Amino acid sequence: EVQLVESGGGLVQPGGSLRLSCAASGFTFSNYAMSWVRQAPGKGLEWLSGIVHGGAATTYYADSVKGRFTVSRDNSKDTLYLQMNILRAEDTAVYYCARDSKLLDYWGQGTLVTVSS
Amino acid sequence: EIQMTQSPSTLSIFVGDRVVITCRASQSISGWLAWYQQKPGKAPKLLIYKASSLESGVPSRFSGSGSGTDFTLTISSLLPDDFATYYCQQYNSYPPTFGQGTKVEI
Repeated sequence: EVQLVESGGGLVQPGGSLRLSCAASGFTFSNYAMSWVRQAPGKGLEWLSGIVHGGAATTYYADSVKGRFTVSRDNSKDTLYLQMNILRAEDTAVYYCARDSKLLDYWGQGTLVTVSS
Repeated sequence: EIQMTQSPSTLSIFVGDRVVITCRASQSISGWLAWYQQKPGKAPKLLIYKASSLESGVPSRFSGSGSGTDFTLTISSLLPDDFATYYCQQYNSYPPTFGQGTKVEI
């Protein structure tokens, strides 16, 4: 059974940093691209970042987070990461990781990030 | 970036009704469209991919159609479990983009 479990969310002050993790199981993690998607309270889904499988691990970012967020993966640990820097109030959201087969076929349960002083 | 526009934003409907949600892409995406269902406090769940292919385990009352720029999600006869928000998503090109969602409510 495919499982994705996010962790690392919490309360952080504006300008602060946070690193999210997504532990994968039930599939060969290294064979799949992965993405991060967020959902602000009461709002829709926003794709943030993706990382391909394979040695090059090419990364992609939405304009809203480019330069502030960094996606990475550790295939030896079957884990996806999102390093979030210079956080703003508008980054407050539930953050989901998803297996990216171009469509997002499996999602984690999400982790809440609250940016507030 | 391809823009995805869903309509309506909200649907007030009854159990047993037929539901049709539309999704329009700002440029052709061929058939590279997915539909997701999201219930409050839960992650989105994939319903349909490649515009009309039903994900394993999804009831047959759900169906999708369309190609190019215009797509529809149909629920043939709404059940209480189907009250949720539905999103379309294009995966023709990066970045993947979502419609704004359609909330199906009583």
